[in-house]
Amino acid sequence: AQSVTQLGSHVSVSEGALVLLRCNYSSSVPPYLFWYVQYPNQGLQLLLKYTSAATLVKGINGFEAEFKKSETSFHLTKPSAHMSDAAEYFCAVSPSGGYNKLIFGAGTRLAVHP
Amino acid sequence: NAGVTQTPKFQVLKTGQSMTLQCAQDMNHEYMSWYRQDPGMGLRLIHYSVGAGITDQGEVPNGYNVSRSTTEDFPLRLLSAAPSQTSVYFCASSPGTGVSNSPLHFGNGTRLTVT
Repeated sequence: AQSVTQLGSHVSVSEGALVLLRCNYSSSVPPYLFWYVQYPNQGLQLLLKYTSAATLVKGINGFEAEFKKSETSFHLTKPSAHMSDAAEYFCAVSPSGGYNKLIFGAGTRLAVHP
Repeated sequence: NAGVTQTPKFQVLKTGQSMTLQCAQDMNHEYMSWYRQDPGMGLRLIHYSVGAGITDQGEVPNGYNVSRSTTEDFPLRLLSAAPSQTSVYFCASSPGTGVSNSPLHFGNGTRLTVT
């Protein structure tokens, strides 16, 4: 069965610092992987997706993620954090190869301080 | 555009009561689903539907019923609420099931407390 592990339930960075949110997956077949962001009292929005094309995926708001098959990882990064990046971030894998029936990780709450 | 609309935003129930969480989308999406979000557990799929008249179970379906009589609506029913169903519930939809389709569109959630 496919699963997703997000390392670190809370991450705190200074404004302008590098953001690194970790995600490891387990999958018996080539996975489709996603990062979603949830702002307070809102639903989830798609940040970026990996669907077996380029291993470095660029998303919205300056975020990117790199698919590393050898490490079974799909870590999310942003070179310079902004206060508006404070939110909860979810990594997800698709067992069906589509956008549906996603399996989500537990989430990482990102805090950005001045 | 309204997108995915969930009502109510907040609800408090007593154990054993029943209620229906409403979800409506105005994007003519074929696929709709319900997730529950619990601290430290991410989102877990409850039920989903690939079109009107077709529903199926997700990862945590026990205690919940769904139906899909129209493309637009996908209500989630709790027949006898239990404290373990205290959670935030999200409805999500997408045009179809393939990767080429646009991603899941989420509603803003319903926060349910069962006492």
